[in-house]
Amino acid sequence: EAGVAQSPRYKIIEKRQSVAFWCNPISGHATLYWYQQILGQGPKLLIQFQNNGVVDDSQLPKDRFSAERLKGVDSTLKIQPAKLEDSAVYLCASSLSVGGLTDTQYFGPGTRLTVL
Amino acid sequence: AQSVTQLDSQVPVFEEAPVELRCNYSSSVSVYLFWYVQYPNQGLQLLLKYLSGSTLVKGINGFEAEFNKSQTSFHLRKPSVHISDTAEYFCAVRDEHSGGYQKVTFGTGTKLQVIP
Repeated sequence: EAGVAQSPRYKIIEKRQSVAFWCNPISGHATLYWYQQILGQGPKLLIQFQNNGVVDDSQLPKDRFSAERLKGVDSTLKIQPAKLEDSAVYLCASSLSVGGLTDTQYFGPGTRLTVL
Repeated sequence: AQSVTQLDSQVPVFEEAPVELRCNYSSSVSVYLFWYVQYPNQGLQLLLKYLSGSTLVKGINGFEAEFNKSQTSFHLRKPSVHISDTAEYFCAVRDEHSGGYQKVTFGTGTKLQVIP
């Protein structure tokens, strides 16, 4: 079974530029998550989709971050414009069911963003 | 609101020695607890999880954890570590958000350094 795919793996941009990350979850997984992991910290949930609907985006900086999951499959996370403090690893994860408390989250390898 | 505290940011240990990585949580409802491992430049991989039943949970790579409800702890242990266990370990708690979906909170991580 293929895992969660993310691209690109690394990205370097200057502040005020825009950037987009792509995630393809495990086939058939209903729930998709985007996390931000700043160096030295644990992952912080940015947004959670169930199928193609958003269930939690309370920690997403909506003035600059946006995400979509068209057709309930793959997803794109965008930052526009980027700030220095956005430098982090962006992790995508997926889980099988909708609202399953016992679900296992499967993580992709992440995209490391450096903002100069 | 749920939270996770990992008391040690770094734990050095000699090869073949035992190790314990500490995790304490707080939550107002029933919780499900997880330990993940993150190797350099990789995503998170599930080590083990506590959902219900026996408080001693065994996971992959010889790790185990014990759920202690009275002490609100979920410490991770391994009786004899290997060089390959050098990685960062994250404790996470999941419960049901008031919005009817699962919410996961991660700790800040513990870096395990195995010394030859």
